[in-house]
Parts: sequence; structure tokens; C-alpha cells
Amino acid sequence: GAVVSQHPSWVICKSGTSVKIECRSLDFQATTMFWYRQFPKQSLMLMATSNEGSKATYEQGVEKDKFLINHASLTLSTLTVTSAHPEDSSFYICSARVTSETQYFGPGTRLLVL
Amino acid sequence: QQQVKQSPQSLIVQKGGISIINCAYENTAFDYFPWYQQFPGKGPALLIAIRPDVSEKKEGRFTISFNKSAKQFSLHIMDSQPGDSATYFCAASHGAMNTGFQKLVFGTGTRLLVSP
Repeated sequence: GAVVSQHPSWVICKSGTSVKIECRSLDFQATTMFWYRQFPKQSLMLMATSNEGSKATYEQGVEKDKFLINHASLTLSTLTVTSAHPEDSSFYICSARVTSETQYFGPGTRLLVL
Repeated sequence: QQQVKQSPQSLIVQKGGISIINCAYENTAFDYFPWYQQFPGKGPALLIAIRPDVSEKKEGRFTISFNKSAKQFSLHIMDSQPGDSATYFCAASHGAMNTGFQKLVFGTGTRLLVSP
């Protein structure tokens, strides 16, 4: 199956700093990638849809200036959490669209903001 | 209406038993229903998926049963094994007119523990 990687797998940062998370499709091109957020023992919540070469589409309630998304190539999307605060601590998961209905998920990035 | 309700929240099954997880939805526009398996600290992995034009789909030990009129679907894991212990999410999606691709709405998850 299609492989999606994320880097880093975990990150600890101080409050007020920015953190960048990378999502790569390793063996296919993905014009669309998705970013999800998952709190402990909870479901995945879609944050935004990342489209190659255009602006991301954010879900209601997600601050676009806080969660900056860049999809500069067909194999890479990045999520930058700006001015991170402890409440931003979460598990961030990306997925890449393979077909109109099929997504392959990355292994996730655990962010801890102190 | 965009919600997908999943039950039970947690489930303990003996090795060799059948695990059954249920989901219900309201939006009749949903036309794709996948199930995902997630191990701790990992991303979800697609297990099996179904479209509403069939009532059942089987892949190995995993079976989806779909009831369109009741707007319910379920995952059955036959001969459950300790290695199946994970969190399972149902999901639903429908095509978006302006984008042509589907966004997933996830259920709340079921933590399955298969005892040896």
C-alpha cells in the first residue's frame, strides 16, 4: 500500500515557540493531504485540507494563522504550529489522498508544549 | 448530521471469539464507509471499506455488515486474536461537489482488548 511518513515522530517545545511537522508521500504523488488532530483516547478531528499549489482549506473552528499549512510539492505538506501553547499538545496525524475516497495515514507526530 | 456514532466505547473479547463494533449515521449522502485500526502511538490503518450498494463485505477475518435502511454498519472480527487488540474507528464520507474527493468523518472509537 501507499506509504506516508511524518517527521518528527515526537517533539517537545517551550510555550511560545513554533513547531513544524512534515508529511511526505513516499511512493506516490498526493495533490491533496489532510491534517488531523487527536487527543488522548479520542477520535480524529479533521483540521484542514492541504492542496498542492494552493491555499489550505480549514475546518470550522481551526485558526488558520495558528496552524499554517504549506503544500509546496506533490509529496510534501507541512503543518506549522505557531506560538505553541500547552493546549496545543496533541497527536497530529496527516493523510494523503490516493483515490477520491481512499486516504493513507502517516504514523503521527506527538507534540508536547511545556 | 455529520456525526457517526460508534459503540461500544470499549470491548473485551476472549481469544477465538467474535468482536462486534457498531456504527450509525444520519447523513444519507454518505457513500463510503471505511474501518480503521489504530495501535497506540501510530496512525490509523485502513482495514476494510464498503459502499452502500452491498450489504456485506468480507476480507479474511474482517466483515462489514451494512444496513442502508437503518443507516447502520458494523465490523465483525472473527476468531479474534490478542494481536487484534487496538482501537477501531468507523468512518463515513461523501463526495464533495466542488472538490471531487471525500472528507472522512470518524466515529468515536472502540478500544478492543482480546484476552489470551
